[in-house]
Amino acid sequence: DVKVTQSSRYLVKRTGEKVFLECVQDMDHENMFWYRQDPGLGLRLIYFSYDVKMKEKGDIPEGYSVSREKKERFSLILESASTNQTSMYLCASRVKWQGAPETQYFGPGTRLLVL
Amino acid sequence: DAKTTQPNSMESNEEEPVHLPCNHSTISGTDYIHWYRQLPSQGPEYVIHGLTSNVNNRMASLAIAEDRKSSTLILHRATLRDAAVYYCIQHLSGTYKYIFGTGTRLKVLA
Repeated sequence: DVKVTQSSRYLVKRTGEKVFLECVQDMDHENMFWYRQDPGLGLRLIYFSYDVKMKEKGDIPEGYSVSREKKERFSLILESASTNQTSMYLCASRVKWQGAPETQYFGPGTRLLVL
Repeated sequence: DAKTTQPNSMESNEEEPVHLPCNHSTISGTDYIHWYRQLPSQGPEYVIHGLTSNVNNRMASLAIAEDRKSSTLILHRATLRDAAVYYCIQHLSGTYKYIFGTGTRLKVLA
């Protein structure tokens, strides 16, 4: 059974803290994604990683960075958390694009509250 | 900018068919349409995808308009376990970009 796991389901942090969200997939997928999900806005892409050490900015990268040192792990970093980063964060993975649509597999999400 | 539009919510009676609409008027010729659903406290999961022709799988059917500017996800017999938020997604061809709609919350009444 395919699996994407996220390090925490719920997280509470203070403004200005550095926050690490971890995502691990066991499917040997090349591509990984970080999205944030907000009411009325759907899912918006923060960062995408093609493969190890490869990344692309998504639609809302400001205030975030990412790290992909191993194929199975993709980390999202909030350099200095702010209250407007309170949200649900979803990680996903898929095999690399080869001309046909590929399913994205999502983790259960991390609900982050920044106080 | 690419955009997909869905109704915020819909209701259905159990064991009746449900038609969930989506508008994607900015779609280009090779962009695929995907549908995912998100059950409570879970991440989204794949339901179905298509390009031009109507598609069927064990979960649902996807009807795509001839001009491709809209599509409809069809659940043939809704069950209580189908209560979820359904997302219509435009996958920009050849890219990593998926344009998510805001989702339709489906309520199934017993």
